Amino acid sequence: AQSVTQLGSHVSVSEGALVLLRCNYSSSVPPYLFWYVQYPNQGLQLLLKYTSAATLVKGINGFEAEFKKSETSFHLTKPSAHMSDAAEYFCAVAGSARQLTFGSGTQLTVLP
Amino acid sequence: DARVTQTPRHKVTEMGQEVTMRCQPILGHNTVFWYRQTMMQGLELLAYFRNRAPLDDSGMPKDRFSAEMPDATLATLKIQPSEPRDSAVYFCASGFPGPLYTEAFFGQGTRLTVV
Repeated sequence: AQSVTQLGSHVSVSEGALVLLRCNYSSSVPPYLFWYVQYPNQGLQLLLKYTSAATLVKGINGFEAEFKKSETSFHLTKPSAHMSDAAEYFCAVAGSARQLTFGSGTQLTVLP
Repeated sequence: DARVTQTPRHKVTEMGQEVTMRCQPILGHNTVFWYRQTMMQGLELLAYFRNRAPLDDSGMPKDRFSAEMPDATLATLKIQPSEPRDSAVYFCASGFPGPLYTEAFFGQGTRLTVV
């Protein structure tokens, strides 16, 4: 079965600093991976997805993620954090029945 | 602007009462998911439907939860009787499956509080 593990339930960065949110996957088949963002009192919104076309995936709001098979990782990065990036971020993997299984989430705090 | 619509957004009810949550998927999407989000368990998949038929409801407590799709524009999640441990945010998501995955589009959720 496919699964993802997000390392760090809470991450704090200063405004303007690099954002790095970690996600490792476990899959017996080539994985399809996703990052979603959840703002307070909102549903989840797709940031980006990896579908094997390119290992470096660019998403909305300046985020990107790199698929590294050797490390079974799909970490999310943004060069410069903005206050509006404060939210919870979820990594997800598509299961054998094509539904998504989510990680436990990482709460990102951006400090002024 | 296509979006998944969930009603109500908030619900407070007393233990033992019936609760019904509704979801209108995006027009054209044939797959509907129900997720529950709590601090302790995170996001859990309760059930999902394709073409209105339940494909998997193994994540749902069978004794009190039920999910249906009366038609292609409405999905419902019912809890009867409700218990305080059911307090959570319930999300509906819809999508149209590609060959290898289904990208899910989420509603804003129903925040349920059972007192």
